[in-house]
Amino acid sequence: EVQLVESGGGLVQPGGSLILSCAASGFPFSRSWMTWVRQAPGKGLESVAEIKEDGSKTNYVDSVKGRFTISRDNAKNSLYLQMNSLRVEDTAVYYCATENWGPAHWGRGTLVTVSS
Amino acid sequence: DIVMTQSPLSLPVTLGQPASISCRSSQSLVYSDGNTYLHWFQQRPGQSPRRLISEVSNRDSGVPDRFSGSGSGTDFTLQITRVEAEDVGVYYCMQGTHWPQTFGQGTKLEIK
Repeated sequence: EVQLVESGGGLVQPGGSLILSCAASGFPFSRSWMTWVRQAPGKGLESVAEIKEDGSKTNYVDSVKGRFTISRDNAKNSLYLQMNSLRVEDTAVYYCATENWGPAHWGRGTLVTVSS
Repeated sequence: DIVMTQSPLSLPVTLGQPASISCRSSQSLVYSDGNTYLHWFQQRPGQSPRRLISEVSNRDSGVPDRFSGSGSGTDFTLQITRVEAEDVGVYYCMQGTHWPQTFGQGTKLEIK
């Protein structure tokens, strides 16, 4: 069974940084594209970033380019999202998901709140 | 970016009755490999999204056969033959053909 468990969310001030982690199990992680999708409170879904199986290719939505970095450690079956220069509008639940031309299996998410 | 437009945004349905959600994209979702990466997701209250349908019409494992997807090019539909209480939630279409992948606004299904 595919399991994805996000962690690292919390309250951070505008301009601050946070690192999200996603622990994966139940599928061949090193052979899977992965993605982060976020959902602002009471709002819809937005793809944030995706990463190729070996980490050699990444894509970002324009609103996070230059501020967020997606990475992975295949030896640890883990996915990461380094978030810098956080803004109030980055407040959201961040979901980790397997990626197959779109999110397939989703985690439960971790809440990031950017507020002073 | 590709804009995904769903209708209706609110869908009150009587138990046992059918329901239909429309999704339109601002550009064709046919990829150069001939596939169409249009998917449907269900998000029940307080839960993570769950993929129901991939590539227009392929039901995911465990999804009841009362859910079906159809369409082509820029126009797509999710149909539920007989709505049950557990179907309450928000439904999203999403395109994976072009980056950034984009979602529709969501359709909130409720029981009348």
